[in-house]
Amino acid sequence: QVQLVQSGAEVKKPGASVKVSCKASGYTFTSYYMHWVRQAPGQGLEWMGIINPSGGSTSYAQKFQGRVTMTRDTSTSTVYMELSSLRSEDTAVYYCARSPEAYYYGMDVWGQGTTVTVSS
Amino acid sequence: DIQLTQSPSFLSASVGDRVTITCRASQGISSYLAWYQQKPGKAPKLLIYAASTLQSGVPSRFSGSGSGTEFTLTISSLQPEDFATYYCQQLNSYPFTFGGGTKVEIK
Repeated sequence: QVQLVQSGAEVKKPGASVKVSCKASGYTFTSYYMHWVRQAPGQGLEWMGIINPSGGSTSYAQKFQGRVTMTRDTSTSTVYMELSSLRSEDTAVYYCARSPEAYYYGMDVWGQGTTVTVSS
Repeated sequence: DIQLTQSPSFLSASVGDRVTITCRASQGISSYLAWYQQKPGKAPKLLIYAASTLQSGVPSRFSGSGSGTEFTLTISSLQPEDFATYYCQQLNSYPFTFGGGTKVEIK
C-alpha cells in the first residue's frame, strides 16, 4: 500500500541541525511532489516547502529560507528535510506529505510525523 | 503571502447537526483550496481538494464549495468520528498557507 515512513524522534540542542527522512513506497516516487509541514505543540499547521523528486527542484517558505534544505534520493525513494540553526521555536512534529502536482491538489498521503525537540 | 482566515475557530455541536466552516482568503485563489481533518496525535487527512472535489474514500456527508476568496466546508450530519480539527489550505501560490483551524467538539 502507499505509505510514507519517517525517521524517528530527535532531540537537539539550540544551534544544531536536524535531518528528517521520509521513505516512500507503494507508488512511483518521481510521479508525486513532496511537501514538508510542521506543527508546534498545540498549534496549527505550517507549510515549510516542496520538492519535486523527479528533478530535485525545491521551493521554500520565506520564513525558512537559508535554514532549510530539502533533498531526495531516487535510488531509495527517500526525501530529506534538514533544518539548521535550531531554536526552541522549532520544536514541533514534522510531516512529509505527497501531492500529484505542485499546485491545485491537496496532500493525499502523509507520513506519521517526526517529533523534533530543541532543548538545551 | 496569502492569509487564510477560518471561522469559527471553535464549534460545539451535537451528533446529527449540520456544520459549516468558512475559510476566507486575503486574495483570490480561484478554486485552489483543500480541506483537511486532523485528530489528536494523528497526521492530517485530506477531505476535499479543488474547493469541492471529494477525496476518494471520504464520506459524502462532507462537501466543499466556493471560489475566489470565500470557501465553505459543510458536514451535513455530524457523526461521532467527525469530532476533530479542520484546516483549509491554499495551493494557488507559494507558500501554501493553512488557515488557523476550526476545532469541532461535542456539545
